[in-house]
Amino acid sequence: GENVEQHPSTLSVQEGDSAVIKCTYSDSASNYFPWYKQELGKGPQLIIDIRSNVGEKKDQRIAVTLNKTAKHFSLHITETQPEDSAVYFCAASPRYSSASKIIFGSGTRLSIRP
Amino acid sequence: SAVISQKPSRDICQRGTSLTIQCQVDSQVTMMFWYRQQPGQSLTLIATANQGSEATYESGFVIDKFPISRPNLTFSTLTVSNMSPEDSSIYLCSVTRTGENTEAFFGQGTRLTVV
Repeated sequence: GENVEQHPSTLSVQEGDSAVIKCTYSDSASNYFPWYKQELGKGPQLIIDIRSNVGEKKDQRIAVTLNKTAKHFSLHITETQPEDSAVYFCAASPRYSSASKIIFGSGTRLSIRP
Repeated sequence: SAVISQKPSRDICQRGTSLTIQCQVDSQVTMMFWYRQQPGQSLTLIATANQGSEATYESGFVIDKFPISRPNLTFSTLTVSNMSPEDSSIYLCSVTRTGENTEAFFGQGTRLTVV
């Protein structure tokens, strides 16, 4: 089955700087890669996603890149702000249907230093 | 989008007892998923619940320990049976929607502490 690895496990950046989180996956059949943000006491919320036919996607300060050949994808947050502090999870989904399982990475705790 | 309500939001339980967690979705969905998130850890899929059939459990999870009900297309329950301190976790209900993208929506979770 699919295995998703994520690093780093913790990341501290100065407010205004950029943060990068990297993930690798094992199943070449995976074709959907969402990123989730989890704040304390809440369930994960989708912040951005990318499909396998796209190499890069951007939404304001957040961007995701995908390299299918190397089976890795990354989250980039620019101009970080205090409200970006949270745990971020990458994930991979092996099928494109409502029955898809979503396999999560181990998470990155991002802290933004004022 | 989907709005998912879980009850209870948290509970403290005695070892050896059982707790049933309820998940209500604001619209009909085919599949509902139950995840466990141990302290400081990622989300691990427990089982997939399809209305009208037995739930499908992932490796390491069994029906006797985590019985699931799915009586209709908007509701599911997960029971954590014969609890031990190792069952202390956050339990999350999730549904997926397929449109342009397959997006997973999560409830706020149930924080369970077993003492």
